[in-house]
Amino acid sequence: QSVLTQPPSASGAPGQRVSISCSGSKSNIGLNHVNWYRQLPGTAPKLLIYSNDQRPSGVPDRFSGSKSGTSASLALSGLQSEDEAEYYCAAWDGSLEAFVFGGGTKLTVL
Amino acid sequence: EVQLVESGGGLVQPGGSLRLSCAASTLTFSDYWFHWVRQAPGKGLEWVANVNQDASKTYYVDSVKGRFTISRDNAKNLLYLQMNNLRPDDTAVYYCARAIAAADCVWGQGTTVTVSS
Repeated sequence: QSVLTQPPSASGAPGQRVSISCSGSKSNIGLNHVNWYRQLPGTAPKLLIYSNDQRPSGVPDRFSGSKSGTSASLALSGLQSEDEAEYYCAAWDGSLEAFVFGGGTKLTVL
Repeated sequence: EVQLVESGGGLVQPGGSLRLSCAASTLTFSDYWFHWVRQAPGKGLEWVANVNQDASKTYYVDSVKGRFTISRDNAKNLLYLQMNNLRPDDTAVYYCARAIAAADCVWGQGTTVTVSS
């Protein structure tokens, strides 16, 4: 059972927009920044979004993040087949004094 | 381009020990927090531990407290994870990562640890 809750799966057709949610509590998302990672099978994770809504250099603006209260979401617009991957949210938890990940969401491009 | 290369993984019996290393190809190694994150077979990511720039602060996930120790050698650009009293549920790919929640985040390719008799 992960501290942060994500839907196990999401899907969308090419070109569509899809959103992935991440739910937490005051001690993590409520008081700290949310980060999003993408992981392709057999490869290391890659940071997509940091500090709730910031994109590292090289991440296309098709990816956007937002946070409200104790929840956050990642939005992908203009879905492409190469977006098929596992997506994870994460945040520092002040009560646990630990960095916590969501369980991951497998995105399928139909 | 910064690279992180993990090593030290392998097969170990329950109760045994391993020390993982992560070599960084950067002159700014000492400027960053570093982390270990693991992924059990077919499972999601689990953060394991982190260490600040001068190793004065370390944090661990509850399941490894008292068994694992994270450390760093800024003179050699090396990050370590000493793992003692290993259990089968420690079996995972272990990744080192720099600045896990910042714009200049970098991940290594991972090293596999298997705990089995």
